[in-house]
Order: sequence, then structure tokens, then C-alpha cells
Amino acid sequence: AQSVTQLGSHVSVSEGALVLLRCNYSSSVPPYLFWYVQYPNQGLQLLLKYTTGATLVKGINGFEAEFKKSETSFHLTKPSAHMSDATEYFCAVSDLGPINTGTASKLTFGTGTRLQVTL
Amino acid sequence: DAMVIQNPRYQVTQFGKPVTLSCSQTLNHNVMYWYQQKSSQAPKLLFHYYDKDFNNEADTPDNFQSRRPNTSFCFLDIRSPGLGDAAMYLCATSRYLGRDFSYNEQFFGPGTRLTVL
Repeated sequence: AQSVTQLGSHVSVSEGALVLLRCNYSSSVPPYLFWYVQYPNQGLQLLLKYTTGATLVKGINGFEAEFKKSETSFHLTKPSAHMSDATEYFCAVSDLGPINTGTASKLTFGTGTRLQVTL
Repeated sequence: DAMVIQNPRYQVTQFGKPVTLSCSQTLNHNVMYWYQQKSSQAPKLLFHYYDKDFNNEADTPDNFQSRRPNTSFCFLDIRSPGLGDAAMYLCATSRYLGRDFSYNEQFFGPGTRLTVL
């Protein structure tokens, strides 16, 4: 079974400071990893994803994440926080799905990290 | 633009009164998911359809049912809503071609916030 742990349910940074949101995963197979962002009363929007290939992935709004297999981590970073970044972020891991059983692969989400950006 | 649409965005129902939430998609994806997200919690998968095949999560209460009459539409029926069912309900879609061909990037609708009085 797969799982995701997001360290820190709340993170506060100053505007212009580095953003670091932590995500560790557990998976018995090579994982597919995702970061989603959720604005109030909205659905989830994909920020970035890691599937295969380059371990440093870049997403929208200046965010990036690095897949580190040895540390089972996929931390989200942004060099300079903006007030508009203040919202909820979810890390997720996908399984590959079973073979020919009529089911699709699924996402397992972390419990989320709320980012606060202060002046 | 291709998208996932949920109606209504806000739904108020009474305790025990059946309610139906709607999701439609123009992405032509073969998988549709329903999630329940309570305040300050991660989305919890209730069930999904892979084409016409319905897949219920083991811990989804019987009170929750779903229908997918065609590729584009999927409905969530709550037969007798309780106060504990008040939540945001998220619909998502993905294109799944089999474990060797696809990863599960899901596209989410804006959600329906359900209030139970």
C-alpha cells in the first residue's frame, strides 16, 4: 500500500522568502508523484508531476520539486514566495493500477499543508 | 476549453433528504472519480468508474451511490444524508490506458459544497 506524509500542516514564510513544503512517500513500486494546489472552495489544480526521467520537475507559478529516491521524498519549493501563494497544497502518489481488472489507478493524498505568506 | 464541471457548486439539503450531485466532463476521459473532502482534510476517494465498471472503496458507506449513464456524466447520490456527510465533494477524471501506459494524472472539477441542515 502506498502512503504520503506531509510534514507540517501549516507553514509560514515571509513574502520573498524560500518556500519549502515537505512530502515523503512510501511505495513498493516506482512511484508517480504529484503536487496539487487548492484555493478556497475550489477543486484541486495540478502544480507539477514526476513520472520518469529528470528528477527535478518544474511546474506552474514558479514551483518545482525534486524526486529523491534515496530519501523517499518529493519536496516542493519556490525561490520567492508571493502573497498569492497562500493556500493549501497536497502531495499525492499514484499506484500503477491492477492488470485487466476493470479498475484504474488511484491517487493517495497527504493531509495537506497550508501555506501562509506574511508581509 | 475542455473541463470538468460540477453542479451545483453549493447544495443545501435536510437531514435524511436524498440529494444528487452532478459531474460532467468534456475531456472524453474513461475514468471518473468521486472524492469526499471534509474541512482541513485530504480528499478521500469514495468510488470510481473505469468506463462502465463501478469500483467502490471498501470503507465507502452504503449511503453513497453513483451512476454513470454515459462517458460524459457521473452522478453521486446520497440516499439519506447525515450531518457527518457535510463536505466538499470533488469529481475528477483521468485517461487510463492500463498500468503500462499511463500514470494517473487526474483533472478535478471545482467541487460541490454540501450543507446538511
